[in-house]
Amino acid sequence: GEDVEQSLFLSVREGDSSVINCTYTDSSSTYLYWYKQEPGAGLQLLTYIFSNMDMKQDQRLTVLLNKKDKHLSLRIADTQTGDSAIYFCAERHSGGYQKVTFGTGTKLQVIP
Amino acid sequence: NAGVTQTPKFRVLKTGQSMTLLCAQDMNHEYMYWYRQDPGMGLRLIHYSVGEGTTAKGEVPDGYNVSRLKKQNFLLGLESAAPSQTSVYFCASRTRDSIGYEQYFGPGTRLTVT
Repeated sequence: GEDVEQSLFLSVREGDSSVINCTYTDSSSTYLYWYKQEPGAGLQLLTYIFSNMDMKQDQRLTVLLNKKDKHLSLRIADTQTGDSAIYFCAERHSGGYQKVTFGTGTKLQVIP
Repeated sequence: NAGVTQTPKFRVLKTGQSMTLLCAQDMNHEYMYWYRQDPGMGLRLIHYSVGEGTTAKGEVPDGYNVSRLKKQNFLLGLESAAPSQTSVYFCASRTRDSIGYEQYFGPGTRLTVT
């Protein structure tokens, strides 16, 4: 199958680190993405990682990719209340029209 | 630069009615997409377009039609709405050759079919 799986909910305290996990199924995926969706809004790209990398850091965000286990994670350091949102993992498949499969989303709740 | 805009933001239809959702982008992007988002599910691709005058089916195309007469606009039509089409619809666009193939999303249209 082509399911991208994520846990549905994560709650953290402000100032702590958040780690959102994702598993995907297509070993030939070229890019993996993290999108953020705030209430009532569309998805906004946070960061992406090319499949030949195992880590990418961008300010408070760290993406880790384990290709062997098909596992992707997003770590948000010093989580703020403005980080409360739904986070979607997505993979871009190779071939064809390079379909993008999205996960079900993880709702991050940041407690002040 | 408005990015990707969608019209309308909300709509309630009765079963059997028809409507058209409009997506517009001012970034000169070649590729445009229509997705639907349902509770507990990721976004699912309905139709997409790789350029003006071309359209193609995605994962869940049944009950929908699309047109791309102008590069900046991508229309999604429901000819005879059904309750199963109650959803939030997102349009997205991207340029052909962007590094990472980033898609830019509109704010969504919330459609309820009664």
